[in-house]
Amino acid sequence: GEDVEQSLFLSVREGDSSVINCTYTDSSSTYLYWYKQEPGAGLQLLTYIFSNMDMKQDQRLTVLLNKKDKHLSLRIADTQTGDSAIYFCASKGGGNKLTFGTGTQLKVEL
Amino acid sequence: KAGVTQTPRYLIKTRGQQVTLSCSPISGHRSVSWYQQTPGQGLQFLFEYFSETQRNKGNFPGRFSGRQFSNSRSEMNVSTLELGDSALYLCASSFSAGTSETQYFGPGTRLLVL
Repeated sequence: GEDVEQSLFLSVREGDSSVINCTYTDSSSTYLYWYKQEPGAGLQLLTYIFSNMDMKQDQRLTVLLNKKDKHLSLRIADTQTGDSAIYFCASKGGGNKLTFGTGTQLKVEL
Repeated sequence: KAGVTQTPRYLIKTRGQQVTLSCSPISGHRSVSWYQQTPGQGLQFLFEYFSETQRNKGNFPGRFSGRQFSNSRSEMNVSTLELGDSALYLCASSFSAGTSETQYFGPGTRLLVL
């Protein structure tokens, strides 16, 4: 079945760049998403990329997709304390079902 | 536009009881999906509804069921609650059920089963 994997934890200093990585197994994945979850909250859509793209930039966020290696990354430039949260990578093949990774907890230190 | 709303936000039930959770999608959205989030299993897909029809179902027992109304609002029901059903239940809506559609999530309903 489909599987999405992420590292569990990342710690960065305020002002540095953060890079969160994700690998997926479903070669039929057409869209890949990044969601953010703050404590006690639902999932906030950050950005997404279509599988025929290599890169997408949206303000401080840059998504890189290596379709050959089934590797997705999210770079957050100038990371702030407000970016501390859990970040989920998700893939979508056919239909509307999302397969989520385990989530990466980002901790931003002063 | 108002976002996805879920009620209630918190629930405490005891084993053996049943529970109904409600989700109101973003205005104009016709597809509603449900996910369960637990520390052990992470985020898992429960089911998806579009135009009052279940289109897709995850790997959950028959105790988990859902429905969608003509105004696109959706409810999910869990019967004979077990301790392991304690979780955050998230609802997501999208305009249609196509692969290109982006899903927007509500704040979730946190269910605690004692």
